[in-house]
Amino acid sequence: AQTVTQSQPEMSVQEAETVTLSCTYDTSESDYYLFWYKQPPSRQMILVIRQEAYKQQNATENRFSVNFQKAAKSFSLKISDSQLGDAAMYFCAYRKSGSQGNLIFGKGTKLSVKP
Amino acid sequence: DAGVIQSPRHEVTEMGQEVTLRCKLISGHNSLFWYRQTMMRGLELLIYFNNNVPIDDSGMPEDRFSAKMPNASFSTLKIQPSEPRDSAVYFCASSITGTSWTIYFGEGSWLTVV
Repeated sequence: AQTVTQSQPEMSVQEAETVTLSCTYDTSESDYYLFWYKQPPSRQMILVIRQEAYKQQNATENRFSVNFQKAAKSFSLKISDSQLGDAAMYFCAYRKSGSQGNLIFGKGTKLSVKP
Repeated sequence: DAGVIQSPRHEVTEMGQEVTLRCKLISGHNSLFWYRQTMMRGLELLIYFNNNVPIDDSGMPEDRFSAKMPNASFSTLKIQPSEPRDSAVYFCASSITGTSWTIYFGEGSWLTVV
């Protein structure tokens, strides 16, 4: 069975600094997708970034980027120039390719941003 | 484009009452997911459908929970009778097979059973 592990329950970063959130996963599949979702206090689940396992190039979305290491099964999220609005729970998630796949979530990392 | 739409956003009900949560998928999406989030258990998949067919309902807690897709764009999650331990945020999410595989979430339904 696939599992997703986020080893940092809480992280803190100074405004305008950079922070990296860790995620590892376990799967025997070769084709899958990885995601980072942000959940602010409103509880809405917001997609931050997506990575296809077949792509070697790391995904980037503005201030958000990932470091995808397929062999190590690692998928970390880097937030540059952190802003107060980045404070939230961040969930790493895995989905295998195919219509039968659903999202498997890590337990989340709570990110605080200090002004 | 409208996202996944859930209703009600908040519901407070008494133990033993029937609760119905509703979800409208993003237009054109063909997969539908119901998740539950609690502090103790985190995010749990309850059930998901593909093309209106339930694919995996192993996460449905017990017979008190039932989910349906009466048509391709709408789903309901029913709890009857409700219990205090059902208090949680219930998320509906949808995706489209064969493209980005991204699952998009609604804003959630906050359920409190007293």
